[in-house]
Amino acid sequence: GAVVSQHPSRVICKSGTSVKIECRSLDFQATTMFWYRQFPKQSLMLMATSNEGSKATYEQGVEKDKFLINHASLTLSTLTVTSAHPEDSSFYICSARDTGPYTEAFFGQGTRLTVV
Amino acid sequence: AQSVTQLDSQVPVFEEAPVELRCNYSSSVSVYLFWYVQYPNQGLQLLLKYLSGSTLVKGINGFEAEFNKSQTSFHLRKPSVHISDTAEYFCAVSDSQGAQKLVFGQGTRLTINP
Repeated sequence: GAVVSQHPSRVICKSGTSVKIECRSLDFQATTMFWYRQFPKQSLMLMATSNEGSKATYEQGVEKDKFLINHASLTLSTLTVTSAHPEDSSFYICSARDTGPYTEAFFGQGTRLTVV
Repeated sequence: AQSVTQLDSQVPVFEEAPVELRCNYSSSVSVYLFWYVQYPNQGLQLLLKYLSGSTLVKGINGFEAEFNKSQTSFHLRKPSVHISDTAEYFCAVSDSQGAQKLVFGQGTRLTINP
C-alpha cells in the first residue's frame, strides 16, 4: 500500500510553546488528509479534515485557533499545536487519501506529544 | 451520522484458538466498513474493508469479516491466532457518499496467551 510519513514520532515541549507535526504522502497525491487525536487506551477522534488548497474543516469542539492545519500541497499537511498545555499531550495520527470516487485512507505512524 | 460499537474492550485468547471481535454500526445511509490493527505507539494498518459485493471479506494476516446488513454487524474473525496478533483492533465506518471520513469504534484489545 501507499506510504504516509509522519514526523516527528515523538516530541516533548514546554508549556506555552508551539509544536508542528508534518504528514507527508510519499508515493501518491493526497487530496484529502485527516487529523486524529487518540487518548491512552481510547479510540481515534477526528479533529479535522483538510483538502489541498482550502481551509480545514474542524469537528465540533476542536479549537481551530489552537490546532492550526495547513494543507498547502498535495503531499504535505501540517498540524501546529499552538501555545501547548499539558492537556494537549496525546497521540496524534494523520491519514491521507488519494483522488478517485473512493480510495483507501493510509495512516501515518503517529506522533506522541508530551507537554511539560 | 454514523456510529460504531465494539462490544468487547478486551478479548484474551489462547494461541492457535479461534477468535471473533464484534462490531456493530448504525447509519441512515449506505456505508463502507473497515477493520484496522494498531500496534503500540504506531499508526493504523488496514486489515480488510467492505465496499460492496460479497459480504464475506478476506484480509491480511488470515483475518476475515462478514458484513450483515440486517444485523448491522461486521464481525472480525480468525480461525487460529498467533502471539503476533496481540494488538488493538478498531472497527470503522464511513458513508459511501460525501466526505468519507472514518468513524471509529472504541477498540478491542486482543491478547494472545501462550
